[in-house]
Amino acid sequence: KQEVTQIPAALSVPEGENLVLNCSFTDSAIYNLQWFRQDPGKGLTSLLLIQSSQREQTSGRLNASLDKSSGRSTLYIAASQPGDSATYLCAALNNYGQNFVFGPGTRLSVLP
Amino acid sequence: DTGVSQDPRHKITKRGQNVTFRCDPISEHNRLYWYRQTLGQGPEFLTYFQNEAQLEKSRLLSDRFSAERPKGSFSTLEIQRTEQGDSAMYLCASSLYGGDPYNEQFFGPGTRLTVL
Repeated sequence: KQEVTQIPAALSVPEGENLVLNCSFTDSAIYNLQWFRQDPGKGLTSLLLIQSSQREQTSGRLNASLDKSSGRSTLYIAASQPGDSATYLCAALNNYGQNFVFGPGTRLSVLP
Repeated sequence: DTGVSQDPRHKITKRGQNVTFRCDPISEHNRLYWYRQTLGQGPEFLTYFQNEAQLEKSRLLSDRFSAERPKGSFSTLEIQRTEQGDSAMYLCASSLYGGDPYNEQFFGPGTRLTVL
């Protein structure tokens, strides 16, 4: 059974810092891994999706990497801004079954 | 493309009542997922449809829960005889199976259920 964890659970940084959020999964037989952002009381916004054949994806100040062999994905945020404050979730789609397994999220606060 | 929509956004009900939620996916998406999310946790998978067929159900989906997707368009999630433990955010997502990138999910705003 796939399990997804995220470290740290919460993170507070001053504006302008570069930061890394971590996502670990127990079953490396994943098809893709998707990163989301969630604002309080809202739905999820897709940030990046990395397919199993890819090593990384980039969008603006965001870069996500995937290492299936070690069961890890990282989300790198460059030059953080107060508007980046949100909860960031990763979700793994397994090769078998077709539903996503989510991590518990990392709550990020970027202080002005 | 207006994205995934859900209705209602908020629902307050008394224990024992039945509630029904609706999800309208992105129009060309053939897969539709339902998740439940409680405070401080990631979404937990409940069930998903490919077109009108319900292909998988989680053990979390007790007999009091039922979902439909008639004609492969919108979907409804019904909870019968609600319990206080059903209080949560119910999220709907849709994706294009076989699309590029493969099965990227897009979420609606959610329906927040409070059972008194």
